[in-house]
Amino acid sequence: EIVLTQSPGTLSLSPGQRATLSCRASQSVGSSFLAWYQQIPGQAPRLLMYGASSRATGIPDRFSGSGSGTDFTLTISRLEPEDFAVYFCQQYSDSPITFGQGTRLEIK
Amino acid sequence: EVQLVESGGGLVQPGGSLRLSCAVSGFTFSSHAMNWVRQAPGKGLEWVSSISGGATITFYADSVKGRFTIFRDNSKNTLYLQMNSLRADDTAVYYCAKETFRAFDSWGQGTLVTVSS
Repeated sequence: EIVLTQSPGTLSLSPGQRATLSCRASQSVGSSFLAWYQQIPGQAPRLLMYGASSRATGIPDRFSGSGSGTDFTLTISRLEPEDFAVYFCQQYSDSPITFGQGTRLEIK
Repeated sequence: EVQLVESGGGLVQPGGSLRLSCAVSGFTFSSHAMNWVRQAPGKGLEWVSSISGGATITFYADSVKGRFTIFRDNSKNTLYLQMNSLRADDTAVYYCAKETFRAFDSWGQGTLVTVSS
């Protein structure tokens, strides 16, 4: 099973700042089958990125993803108030599908 | 507009059974693999099970293998999860999720399953 470790656990930033979230895999994620999801408390997760760097439909371009192999990054270039949420990475390269434990992005 | 609506959650005693449903609309159901993902209260996301568009291939997390069964009725645009031998650690919000390019691009609002005596 591929274990995904996200860091930091909590990130405290202000609107307008840049956010960098990390996701590290215990073994290589084939074909960059890595996705990022945003979850606002009380709501279902929403797909942000797939294939490590492709934005999902309707996702603003301030969100970007990068990485390959075992190290992946989600970057939010300029934080908007609605971006403060929990972010999960997910690998779908190998069964079982696994998620990271999440990074909470909170307003400083 | 893509819509996924789960139902069937509730309170069940340990050892009991429950069947969840996920009614979908707005896309060609039979063309997409579907998944169940759960989230225990205050915890992260855990993939539970997946099924191919034609229902010929299924996968399960080890934690539910032998107890849960995923199936679908493409004529009714509905996904199901039959859950037997429920345990306290199965308590969670259960989401159904549509798969595109192997990522989960649409999710339902979730249904809460509580296993308690």
